[in-house]
Amino acid sequence: GENVEQHPSTLSVQEGDSAVIKCTYSDSASNYFPWYKQELGKRPQLIIDIRSNVGEKKDQRIAVTLNKTAKHFSLHITETQPEDSAVYFCAALRGGGGYNKLIFGAGTRLAVHP
Amino acid sequence: DSGVTQTPKHLITATGQRVTLRCSPRSGDLSVYWYQQSLDQGLQFLIQYYNGEERAKGNILERFSAQQFPDLHSELNLSSLELGDSALYFCASSVNPRTGESDTQYFGPGTRLTVL
Repeated sequence: GENVEQHPSTLSVQEGDSAVIKCTYSDSASNYFPWYKQELGKRPQLIIDIRSNVGEKKDQRIAVTLNKTAKHFSLHITETQPEDSAVYFCAALRGGGGYNKLIFGAGTRLAVHP
Repeated sequence: DSGVTQTPKHLITATGQRVTLRCSPRSGDLSVYWYQQSLDQGLQFLIQYYNGEERAKGNILERFSAQQFPDLHSELNLSSLELGDSALYFCASSVNPRTGESDTQYFGPGTRLTVL
């Protein structure tokens, strides 16, 4: 069935270091891959996304890479700051025609220490 | 602010009771999704509606049901509540014919349900 595996489950870095979170999906028809950041008790917020026809996308300190052959995508955060501390979720979607079921990874708890 | 609203913010009730959670999608969005997030857990997809019709189902219990109304707001009904139903319930919306956006899901602030 559809599945998204996310690693690591927890990640601790020093302020200024880089953080990398990796996800693998099972449905080869997935064509959209968003990343969400969720602070404690708050709603998940979209921070970056990538479509299957693109290999890499950057937005300031965050970037996402996609390897369709390996069915693997990653989130890269550079120059981490304490406010980056949160739970990050990757997801994969097989969309089209109003059928937009997002499959989420289990989440990565990122702690950035000053 | 995502533009998705949910009421109530908090709900405390007893086992065996029934509650209704409400969601209003972003203006123009046709699809509404419901997710359950238990303490320190991931996001479990429950159900999707598109323009009033059910489109996809996840691991939604038979005690739970949902609907989407003609004005596109949605309600999630939880009945015969158990302690394990205590969780954050999120609504998300997407698919906007006016903007052409279809894939990105925008989440509401959630309803925290506590079953005592």
